[in-house]
Amino acid sequence: NAGVTQTPKFQVLKTGQSMTLQCAQDMNHEYMSWYRQDPGMGLRLIHYSVGAGITDQGEVPNGYNVSRSTTEDFPLRLLSAAPSQTSVYFCASSYGSRAYNEQFFGPGTRLTVL
Amino acid sequence: AQKVTQAQTEISVVEKEDVTLDCVYETRDTTYYLFWYKQPPSGELVFLIRRNSFDEQNEISGRYSWNFQKSTSSFNFTITASQVVDSAVYFCALSGLQGNYQLIWGAGTKLIIKP
Repeated sequence: NAGVTQTPKFQVLKTGQSMTLQCAQDMNHEYMSWYRQDPGMGLRLIHYSVGAGITDQGEVPNGYNVSRSTTEDFPLRLLSAAPSQTSVYFCASSYGSRAYNEQFFGPGTRLTVL
Repeated sequence: AQKVTQAQTEISVVEKEDVTLDCVYETRDTTYYLFWYKQPPSGELVFLIRRNSFDEQNEISGRYSWNFQKSTSSFNFTITASQVVDSAVYFCALSGLQGNYQLIWGAGTKLIIKP
């Protein structure tokens, strides 16, 4: 049981490049989400999904896209990277279709945009 | 609007001391959930506890205890007889209908336990 996995662990991009952060969970959780963590600001929700085929925006969605074609996978796409997107990104999942259950987090992806 | 405030940015204590991490929240919801998560230096986030707004009983789990007081909108976390392994960033979070049950996070408190 791997839990929530994220790849890559580290990534450096140049301004304007695009990339996809991968997230997968093997717990059959309906709810999945992406957060970014910046120093002194806690975690902020980017996008979330309450099941395959259903996604919605969080607090800071601009510059990011998501899709949920399967229960297991929830990739996050950066369309045109900007230095303001330098952050640590966490994927999380939980049972049920709400965020008020225990969230299981992946190990994070540290992204630097030059 | 919903908000979580962790006013203590960083706390440093000597091992075996007791330490309390403060969490104050704002919400207009009558039904809501409060959480604490731990982020050790390795970086992963670990769930510690969830309380719902109708359960104000204090909770104790080993050296950890939580004090939920609706009258002061606080959900404080106390570590008794702290250990070096307790060194981490601790986050308080809120989930309620007003925010479509998404988690609203505090900025975190960095706890340093010195040997």
